[in-house]
Amino acid sequence: AQSVAQPEDQVNVAEGNPLTVKCTYSVSGNPYLFWYVQYPNRGLQFLLKYITGDNLVKGSYGFEAEFNKSQTSFHLKKPSALVSDSALYFCAVRDIPGNTPLVFGKGTRLSVIA
Amino acid sequence: DTGVSQNPRHKITKRGQNVTFRCDPISEHNRLYWYRQTLGQGPEFLTYFQNEAQLEKSRLLSDRFSAERPKGSFSTLEIQRTEQGDSAMYLCASSLDSPNGYTFGSGTRLTVV
Repeated sequence: AQSVAQPEDQVNVAEGNPLTVKCTYSVSGNPYLFWYVQYPNRGLQFLLKYITGDNLVKGSYGFEAEFNKSQTSFHLKKPSALVSDSALYFCAVRDIPGNTPLVFGKGTRLSVIA
Repeated sequence: DTGVSQNPRHKITKRGQNVTFRCDPISEHNRLYWYRQTLGQGPEFLTYFQNEAQLEKSRLLSDRFSAERPKGSFSTLEIQRTEQGDSAMYLCASSLDSPNGYTFGSGTRLTVV
């Protein structure tokens, strides 16, 4: 069965500093990996995905993520955090091949302090 | 195309009542998913459709829950005899048959009192 772990419930970072939100996954085969962001009382918004190819994936709002197969990780990063990045971030995984639905982590709350 | 639309945005109901939520996916998306999200948790999969066929149901989906997608367009999720534990945000998402991600609606927040 596929699963996702987000080991940090909360990440605090000062505005302008780099940020990292951690994610590790478990699948039986190869993964499709995703990051989503959620603002209060809203649905999830897609940030980026890894399907195949380059391990460094660039997404919306200056975010990027690095796929590391040996460590089964897909950490979300941004070189310089903004206060407006404060939100809830979810990592998700899906097994390849197959039609299994996305499985989400429990989320990490990012707080960027001015 | 205005994305995935969910109605109502909020629903307050008394324990024991039935409720129904509606989801209108992106028109060209053939897959539609329902998830449930409680405070402090990530979205938990409930069920999904490919066109009008319901292909998978989670064990979270008790007999009180039923979902339909007639004609492969909009979908409804009904909860019968609601319980306080059903209080959650119910999220709908749609996608194409590909490794693309899902597009989520804004959700329906259910409060059972």
